[in-house]
Amino acid sequence: KAGVTQTPRYLIKTRGQQVTLSCSPISGHRSVSWYQQTPGQGLQFLFEYFSETQRNKGNFPGRFSGRQFSNSRSEMNVSTLELGDSALYLCASSSGPTIGGYTFGSGTRLTVV
Amino acid sequence: AQKVTQAQTEISVVEKEDVTLDCVYETRDTTYYLFWYKQPPSGELVFLIRRNSFDEQNEISGRYSWNFQKSTSSFNFTITASQVVDSAVYFCALSGASQAAGNKLTFGGGTRVLVKP
Repeated sequence: KAGVTQTPRYLIKTRGQQVTLSCSPISGHRSVSWYQQTPGQGLQFLFEYFSETQRNKGNFPGRFSGRQFSNSRSEMNVSTLELGDSALYLCASSSGPTIGGYTFGSGTRLTVV
Repeated sequence: AQKVTQAQTEISVVEKEDVTLDCVYETRDTTYYLFWYKQPPSGELVFLIRRNSFDEQNEISGRYSWNFQKSTSSFNFTITASQVVDSAVYFCALSGASQAAGNKLTFGGGTRVLVKP
């Protein structure tokens, strides 16, 4: 079965712009989580959606937002991009409400110039 | 708050040597899960193992083995007879096991393993 699909793979944006990243979970998975990976801060949890509701949120400014659709696909949005938002954004999906089969996508590499 | 510490930032070995990656964690949860992930240069996080806090049995999978010691809050990972393909960054991670904890992982800083031929 298909894994977690993240699009696009690479993205270059200008400071001040906004960006939307997409994540399609494994079929049947209802939980989608997002992580930011940077050389300085490592892997940090952004937020988790379960059945279209945000269930957990990490310590990121309000410029970072997300949503989940009825088909479990999720998007995350970053507004007013800053240079420090350059990172690999990883999405993971899980089959249930608690940590279970937790599968990551290949990520979207965002570069802000 | 949860915290995962991987004290080794980089380890370099020659092929066929064994390599052990250390992981120490902190949590107030009474039940939790511990994980190891491998991240090759392609960027995707590849799941290696999940361990429930109730299960302190060590585990072996091929050349990989894990040593979980709750008394010292450690979950170490050993690669036996390393191969060049093992070169990657390895992450230890922690999650609460309750529904309130949800699907949220706290990661360590990662250990880069370089296996030279």
